[in-house]
Amino acid sequence: AQTVTQSQPEMSVQEAETVTLSCTYDTSESDYYLFWYKQPPSRQMILVIRQEAYKQQNATENRFSVNFQKAAKSFSLKISDSQLGDAAMYFCASMGLAGGGADGLTFGKGTHLIIQP
Amino acid sequence: EAQVTQNPRYLITVTGKKLTVTCSQNMNHEYMSWYRQDPGLGLRQIYYSMNVEVTDKGDVPEGYKVSRKEKRNFPLILESPSPNQTSLYFCASSLSGGTPPTDTQYFGPGTRLTVL
Repeated sequence: AQTVTQSQPEMSVQEAETVTLSCTYDTSESDYYLFWYKQPPSRQMILVIRQEAYKQQNATENRFSVNFQKAAKSFSLKISDSQLGDAAMYFCASMGLAGGGADGLTFGKGTHLIIQP
Repeated sequence: EAQVTQNPRYLITVTGKKLTVTCSQNMNHEYMSWYRQDPGLGLRQIYYSMNVEVTDKGDVPEGYKVSRKEKRNFPLILESPSPNQTSLYFCASSLSGGTPPTDTQYFGPGTRLTVL
């Protein structure tokens, strides 16, 4: 079983600044993936970034990067040069690979990110 | 265009009236799943399917049924809907269950269901 905890229900940042969203997880599996999904007001779920747990290097995708601390079971998302279009609900999620990943994604409760112009 | 489609996008119904939410993907994905999203709870998996004719329960399967007769379709069936099934529902698919990089899940646009 896996659990994902996002302790920040809401975060606010000034446009062009940097913001970090926190996520901690718990899993008994040795092999797993971690994800950040973005959900804008349209409600569409959009994959932002993924991290394979066996990789030590932190994943990056343009302005988005993660700080993956495996021992601490922490997986934070850093958004650099925040833009108005980044305003959304952000979900952290995990996927265990026991059983071939069949159990799908386990999501946190989300962090609502507000971008102030 | 590669996509996951859901229909209907919005539905208001009454308690006990059977309904089906369709999900279709055009990417030849083997793995499909259904999630429900409720305020303050994030998304929770209802059912999943590793391939045709192979389905299994997720975390919150009570009150739902699914079928996977064809690879592209994975309908969600509510035999007797109740108000506690009012939620936002997402269908998702991936090429495979857990083999990178083919296991990235692509989500449909969501179905907003209200049961009165």
